[in-house]
Amino acid sequence: GIQVEQSPPDLILQEGANSTLRCNFSDSVNNLQWFHQNPWGQLINLFYIPSGTKQNGRLSATTVATERYSLLYISSSQTTDSGVYFCAVLLMDSSYKLIFGSGTRLLVRP
Amino acid sequence: NAGVTQTPKFQVLKTGQSMTLQCAQDMNHNSMYWYRQDPGMGLRLIYYSASEGTTDKGEVPNGYNVSRLNKREFSLRLESAAPSQTSVYFCASSRGSNSPLHFGNGTRLTVT
Repeated sequence: GIQVEQSPPDLILQEGANSTLRCNFSDSVNNLQWFHQNPWGQLINLFYIPSGTKQNGRLSATTVATERYSLLYISSSQTTDSGVYFCAVLLMDSSYKLIFGSGTRLLVRP
Repeated sequence: NAGVTQTPKFQVLKTGQSMTLQCAQDMNHNSMYWYRQDPGMGLRLIYYSASEGTTDKGEVPNGYNVSRLNKREFSLRLESAAPSQTSVYFCASSRGSNSPLHFGNGTRLTVT
């Protein structure tokens, strides 16, 4: 089956720093989404990004589907950015089954 | 606009007991899903409902049943709970398969 690998697994930043999280996938996909799980366990959809680049405030994401990876950029990080970031992909031949990566755990220190 | 609402938030069961997790969405979404999240793992799909009146198995359906009661509501039933079903359960919805997924706040279930 498809492999969805996220790196790094853990990341510690000082408030104000920038970071890049990566998601690699081993097969062609229909779409890719990024989620943030905050320390209280809530899962928030950050980006629906099958290809190209999108920006939302301090966060932006780029997916290069032909090279099978996506990047999530966090600029000027804040303590509220702490939590786990998941990418999830929808396979070409599987209409509804999103496959999640194992996540990047981010801690932003004040 | 509540989004996706799950009840209960917490539940403790004894092995062999049954229970139903409730989920409702007010976004007029066609598709609904149940995921489980275990420590150190990502989320795994249990069952989904592409549209009202249909349900299909996901990656880990054994030990669960679902009902798509109407367009808004999608419930998950554990007929005979087992300790291996201790997990955090998330309900989610989307307009369709190629649409952003929106999650509820989760139900933390412990089976002793």
